[in-house]
Amino acid sequence: NAGVMQNPRHLVRRRGQEARLRCSPMKGHSHVYWYRQLPEEGLKFMVYLQKENIIDESGMPKERFSAEFPKEGPSILRIQQVVRGDSAAYFCASSPDQGGPSYNEQFFGPGTRLTVL
Amino acid sequence: GQQVMQIPQYQHVQEGEDFTTYCNSSTTLSNIQWYKQRPGGHPVFLIQLVKSGEVKKQKRLTFQFGEAKKNSSLHITATQTTDVGTYFCACRSNYQLIWGAGTKLIIKP
Repeated sequence: NAGVMQNPRHLVRRRGQEARLRCSPMKGHSHVYWYRQLPEEGLKFMVYLQKENIIDESGMPKERFSAEFPKEGPSILRIQQVVRGDSAAYFCASSPDQGGPSYNEQFFGPGTRLTVL
Repeated sequence: GQQVMQIPQYQHVQEGEDFTTYCNSSTTLSNIQWYKQRPGGHPVFLIQLVKSGEVKKQKRLTFQFGEAKKNSSLHITATQTTDVGTYFCACRSNYQLIWGAGTKLIIKP
């Protein structure tokens, strides 16, 4: 059973460009979470999605950031008009349906390291 | 909103010495999870504690959840080079994981 897949692993963008980060959850997992991690800091929750639905986006910046989890295909975190402050590691995690999401372990992908020049 | 404070930020130990990291909250925590993140890697789940006063062991790692469910600790006995990394506590709050800032375990050369 493959783990959570994220691509690309490293992404370099110039200021003003768009960044698209992809996440394929583990097989059988329909809950996806995105986190951002700055160097030497803990992870900060951004958004929680189930298939075709955004459940909680309270951690997402109001502008330039969006996320989706379509019926088919990976979850996408999209950052428009990137700025230097967007440079960070972005981690995706998934959890299974059984038992509900409240107490389940979250399985993390390897992350995408975004660098904005 | 809920916050978890984690100390210390760094701990330098000689190989073979013990290591402890502490997690505290001003409010009662429904649960606490511990993760390990190796340098350049991603967080890996270690354990979840949910009961007041709970103590769980994994080989050289001992996890405790305080009686008031406001604090937790992770203790590693006789550290090895494979223990190097950052250890995070995190609390589930609805759908989110609220993370501590982490404690980086550094083995002195």
